[in-house]
Amino acid sequence: DTGVSQDPRHKITKRGQNVTFRCDPISEHNRLYWYRQTLGQGPEFLTYFQNEAQLEKSRLLSDRFSAERPKGSFSTLEIQRTEQGDSAMYLCASSPRLAGYNEQFFGPGTRLTVL
Amino acid sequence: GQNIDQPTEMTATEGAIVQINCTYQTSGFNGLFWYQQHAGEAPTFLSYNVLDGLEEKGRFSSFLSRSKGYSYLLLKELQMKDSASYLCAVRVYDYKLSFGAGTTVTVRA
Repeated sequence: DTGVSQDPRHKITKRGQNVTFRCDPISEHNRLYWYRQTLGQGPEFLTYFQNEAQLEKSRLLSDRFSAERPKGSFSTLEIQRTEQGDSAMYLCASSPRLAGYNEQFFGPGTRLTVL
Repeated sequence: GQNIDQPTEMTATEGAIVQINCTYQTSGFNGLFWYQQHAGEAPTFLSYNVLDGLEEKGRFSSFLSRSKGYSYLLLKELQMKDSASYLCAVRVYDYKLSFGAGTTVTVRA
């Protein structure tokens, strides 16, 4: 399968614990995005990378959140000291430079539940 | 910020046509996208408009009027598998997508 993959697909954790999610974009896609989606809402932009450079972070991304894309390929999103309000689906997407990054291809998401 | 409005729910009969409207107010507009999302799955790309007019892609068409801040997605010859949430999204500058809350379309036999 050559689509965007995310791991794990589901994560249940207790409040206060740290969690880390991984995203593997489509090969050779320069841009990688993280979004968060809660029930009944559309995805909300969190941050994006062009190659290994993190170019924009949303105000939604508190200091407890950090994202990396060290070699310009896979990316990780870490949430420290999780809170119940962090429960959501975390979506990763990637887009190619061809056609001006027009289409973002989404992965299946990681569903986080904070108890 | 961005303000994107679309209806919450729509119901239609198999074989019929449904039109989902989307209005937006945003700065840095650089394209309007429609995505389909089945429950529990990732959004999948349907269409993209950056210039005014109609883009047709099989059973799906999308229209954009930039001066009115308005778009619609037209679904023709509805099938049961078209039951899903349809997300209107505006691209701001050249990177992030700002999504509406989505329109849940239910197709009835």
